[in-house]
Amino acid sequence: AQSVTQPDIHITVSEGASLELRCNYSYGATPYLFWYVQSPGQGLQLLLKYFSGDTLVQGIKGFEAEFKRSQSSFNLRKPSVHWSDAAEYFCAVEEGKTSYDKVIFGPGTSLSVIP
Amino acid sequence: NAGVTQTPKFRILKIGQSMTLQCTQDMNHNYMYWYRQDPGMGLKLIYYSVGAGITDKGEVPNGYNVSRSTTEDFPLRLELAAPSQTSVYFCASSYTKNEKLFFGSGTQLSVL
Repeated sequence: AQSVTQPDIHITVSEGASLELRCNYSYGATPYLFWYVQSPGQGLQLLLKYFSGDTLVQGIKGFEAEFKRSQSSFNLRKPSVHWSDAAEYFCAVEEGKTSYDKVIFGPGTSLSVIP
Repeated sequence: NAGVTQTPKFRILKIGQSMTLQCTQDMNHNYMYWYRQDPGMGLKLIYYSVGAGITDKGEVPNGYNVSRSTTEDFPLRLELAAPSQTSVYFCASSYTKNEKLFFGSGTQLSVL
């Protein structure tokens, strides 16, 4: 069964600094990969997704993510963090083989931003 | 433009009580999901459905039941509530697989 790990439970960065959130998945083939963001008290919003093709994908709010098959990773990056980026970030994977695919989420990384 | 609507937003249950969390979407989505979110655990999939009349278990189905009699509605039933079911529950939907999930605003449930 597929699984998703996010090694960093909590990260603190200064406003304007760069950001990288790590995500690793366990699955035999190339899954469909997603990053979602959850602001306090809110539901989840999709930042970006990867299905195939170019391994560097661009998302909303200036985020990007790079798929590395050799490392089974799909890390999220942002060159310059804004205070409004403080939130919980979830990596998710979908098997993509059949109609009965499930979307499985990682445990999340909480991001704090220092003004 | 309602999207995914969950009711209620908050509920307190006593141990052993039952209740149904309602979820409805007006986007004609085929796929619907129920997740629970616990601190530090991310979202765990409880049940999901790929269309009316079709449901399947997720990662943590014990203690829950679902039905999908229409495309719009996907209620989650808790029988004999236990403190371990204290959580925030999210319903989500997508038109097809591999597509963006649209989330409801969540139901905060406490079992005391």
